[in-house]
Amino acid sequence: DAGVTQSPTHLIKTRGQQVTLRCSPKSGHDTVSWYQQALGQGPQFIFQYYEEEERQRGNFPDRFSGHQFPNYSSELNVNALLLGDSALYLCASSYDRGYSPLHFGNGTRLTVT
Amino acid sequence: KQEVTQIPAALSVPEGENLVLNCSFTDSAIYNLQWFRQDPGKGLTSLLLIQSSQREQTSGRLNASLDKSSGRSTLYIAASQPGDSATYLCAAYTGTASKLTFGTGTRLQVTL
Repeated sequence: DAGVTQSPTHLIKTRGQQVTLRCSPKSGHDTVSWYQQALGQGPQFIFQYYEEEERQRGNFPDRFSGHQFPNYSSELNVNALLLGDSALYLCASSYDRGYSPLHFGNGTRLTVT
Repeated sequence: KQEVTQIPAALSVPEGENLVLNCSFTDSAIYNLQWFRQDPGKGLTSLLLIQSSQREQTSGRLNASLDKSSGRSTLYIAASQPGDSATYLCAAYTGTASKLTFGTGTRLQVTL
């Protein structure tokens, strides 16, 4: 049983560019949440997707957007990249809109130069 | 707004010692509290989840307690081993916001 998978594992982009990160949830899970983890910090909630809609959103600008597909997989898009967007982006999946334990992927390390 | 604090930020202990990691949260209206382990450059591994109605959970050498009224949780690690070296994160789940609020973690090093 595959856990949460994220791609790519590492990514280097230039300021102003756009990036798309992908996540496949654990089998049986229908809810996907995205978190940003800066170096030395705890993860910060970006948003949650359930039934292909954004259900909750953290304190992140509109440059951060997402999508959930009918197979429950998800994408995180970041436009107009800033140096401060450099971080580990973690995807977590669960069922029951997150009341069950969250399972995290290994993350995508994004470096903006 | 929920805030989660972890003390200490870093801890170094010799192998075999028992240790306690502390976590405090400001809003007691949590649905559950979770402890995670993170190895360098890796994702999070769930260790224990305590529902708001529970007082503690145990898994092997790990025991986590929850006191909602005081806004505190502790993670007890018995007979520490070098393989326990990692960063330990606690996170409070707020149902109304459908999100985990994380602390900044305790970086644990267990030495031989």
